[in-house]
Amino acid sequence: DAGVTQSPTHLIKTRGQQVTLRCSPKSGHDTVSWYQQALGQGPQFIFQYYEEEERQRGNFPDRFSGHQFPNYSSELNVNALLLGDSALYLCASSSTRDRVNSPLHFGNGTRLTVT
Amino acid sequence: DQQVKQNSPSLSVQEGRISILNCDYTNSMFDYFLWYKKYPAEGPTFLISISSIKDKNEDGRFTVFLNKSAKHLSLHIVPSQPGDSAVYFCAASAKGAGSYQLTFGKGTKLSVIP
Repeated sequence: DAGVTQSPTHLIKTRGQQVTLRCSPKSGHDTVSWYQQALGQGPQFIFQYYEEEERQRGNFPDRFSGHQFPNYSSELNVNALLLGDSALYLCASSSTRDRVNSPLHFGNGTRLTVT
Repeated sequence: DQQVKQNSPSLSVQEGRISILNCDYTNSMFDYFLWYKKYPAEGPTFLISISSIKDKNEDGRFTVFLNKSAKHLSLHIVPSQPGDSAVYFCAASAKGAGSYQLTFGKGTKLSVIP
């Protein structure tokens, strides 16, 4: 049973460019959340997708956008990259059919470096 | 403003002894708390959780204690094993936010010395 998978594992971009990160949720999960983990910090919530719509959003600018596809997979897009966007981007999935407060399952992340 | 604080960046413990990791929070709306463990190059893995209606939850070698009046929780690992060496994150979710929107602390790096 595959867990949460993310691609690519590493990515290097130049300031001002745009990037797309991809996530496939754990089998049976229908909700995807994205987190940013800067060096030395804990993960910070970006947004959550369910039924192909953004349901909740953290304190991130509009340069961060996402999408969820009918097969529940998701993309995170970041436009006009800044040096401060360099971080580990984590995708997490869960199921609305699980009990309330079921824990999130995280992927191994995509390490983004902006130069 | 850090709503979830883990004030100890690192902790070293001898194998077989107890490891105690601490976490403080400031948001009174938090009603569910979790601990995640993270190895290098891997994503966080869920360890144990506790609801605000309880003050203790136990799962094998891991026990989480919650003191709501002090807005403090702790994770006890007994006995500690070298495989427990990892970064431990405390996380919390607020009423109505669901389990999707977690607020994390900065983590505590635990080293268990053989």
